[in-house]
Amino acid sequence: QKEVEQNSGPLSVPEGAIASLNCTYSDRGSQSFFWYRQYSGKSPELIMFIYSNGDKEDGRFTAQLNKASQYVSLLIRDSQPSDSATYLCAVYLVSMEYGNKLVFGAGTILRVKS
Amino acid sequence: DARVTQTPRHKVTEMGQEVTMRCQPILGHNTVFWYRQTMMQGLELLAYFRNRAPLDDSGMPKDRFSAEMPDATLATLKIQPSEPRDSAVYFCASGLGEAGGYEQYFGPGTRLTVT
Repeated sequence: QKEVEQNSGPLSVPEGAIASLNCTYSDRGSQSFFWYRQYSGKSPELIMFIYSNGDKEDGRFTAQLNKASQYVSLLIRDSQPSDSATYLCAVYLVSMEYGNKLVFGAGTILRVKS
Repeated sequence: DARVTQTPRHKVTEMGQEVTMRCQPILGHNTVFWYRQTMMQGLELLAYFRNRAPLDDSGMPKDRFSAEMPDATLATLKIQPSEPRDSAVYFCASGLGEAGGYEQYFGPGTRLTVT
């Protein structure tokens, strides 16, 4: 089982709709969760992070975390064509042997159609 | 405008040749990461440094890959000899302190093609 799993998509939504991106993780001890966005041919950039169960809102983006279910999601309200990108879920793993590190999921491709 | 820089941006080489990729982290950042991204495997951590000391290179094929930080402004990733399966985009990222472990700033990447 991969440490971080995402549906590869593509997820297609019409402009103005809510896009829902999901991610599950295997390490029950994980405490910190991140969403990176990567446009085609570009490098990943951090857009959201969440540490506590529940919702965290930032503009049109809402991150949701459920540690009991080992599930984290990203909602994008009022989706725009400019939101079309690959969204990478990342989990911060703590390792006594190797130090802390981010483990990325394979990413979900989002396409917003105008 | 502080950013991570990487050189070269593109590299095409023949199997068996040595490849060296360079990264200049954001000034003041003390954690540096090397990632490899392919369609099949996604984004994989190869190695990372904190205060120039290697912390984890478990993701890197040791027989052909090596990563170093000769000084705080330069990180290198070397492949010798290169193989077609090394074809990928290699990203360098940097961060600051404990938060640098997750709030990472990525460079533009080096697209490597090994024929």
